[in-house]
Amino acid sequence: GEDVEQSLFLSVREGDSSVINCTYTDSSSTYLYWYKQEPGAGLQLLTYIFSNMDMKQDQRLTVLLNKKDKHLSLRIADTQTGDSAIYFCAEPPGSGNTGKLIFGQGTTLQVKP
Amino acid sequence: DTAVSQTPKYLVTQMGNDKSIKCEQNLGHDTMYWYKQDSKKFLKIMFSYNNKELIINETVPNRFSPKSPDKAHLNLHINSLELGDSAVYFCASSLRTGGRETQYFGPGTRLLVL
Repeated sequence: GEDVEQSLFLSVREGDSSVINCTYTDSSSTYLYWYKQEPGAGLQLLTYIFSNMDMKQDQRLTVLLNKKDKHLSLRIADTQTGDSAIYFCAEPPGSGNTGKLIFGQGTTLQVKP
Repeated sequence: DTAVSQTPKYLVTQMGNDKSIKCEQNLGHDTMYWYKQDSKKFLKIMFSYNNKELIINETVPNRFSPKSPDKAHLNLHINSLELGDSAVYFCASSLRTGGRETQYFGPGTRLLVL
């Protein structure tokens, strides 16, 4: 079935690294995504990774993909208070042709000054 | 500004009423969506339209009826509102580039049913 799971809450100190984890079930997904939701706003695409990659780095963001374990992680280096938000991982079920995305429950990241 | 916009931003209404939420995107995208986000922040797709044609219809009560008058608009009408309909409803549109789908979300409509 289609299922994406995340831990619900993470608290870090400003300047530390944050690691948000996600597990998914559909191994045929071509892309996996991370979206960010700031308070009172809609979701914004943060980054994505193609399924034949193990790692993708984009400035302070590092995405790691372990296809064997169906595990995706998002690392935020030098976490800032502005990074406080809810982070959702998402995968398109099957071939991904419909545009449908299955979202995890979201991980609330709290950054303490 | 180019964006996905929704109206109203807040909607407070009584049980049993009928209400509509409007969504417009000026990004030129072919595909639009409605999502429901509950109080626990769980986000679930409700409907998707591609070029005014319904392509995704998840298990949603018949009281919810989407309408797409053109590919830039996707409205959501809800009949006989129930307490459990209270949630944030997000509209989104998407662009597919080389097999990768990027969804652009509106700011949300916060519906409270009393």
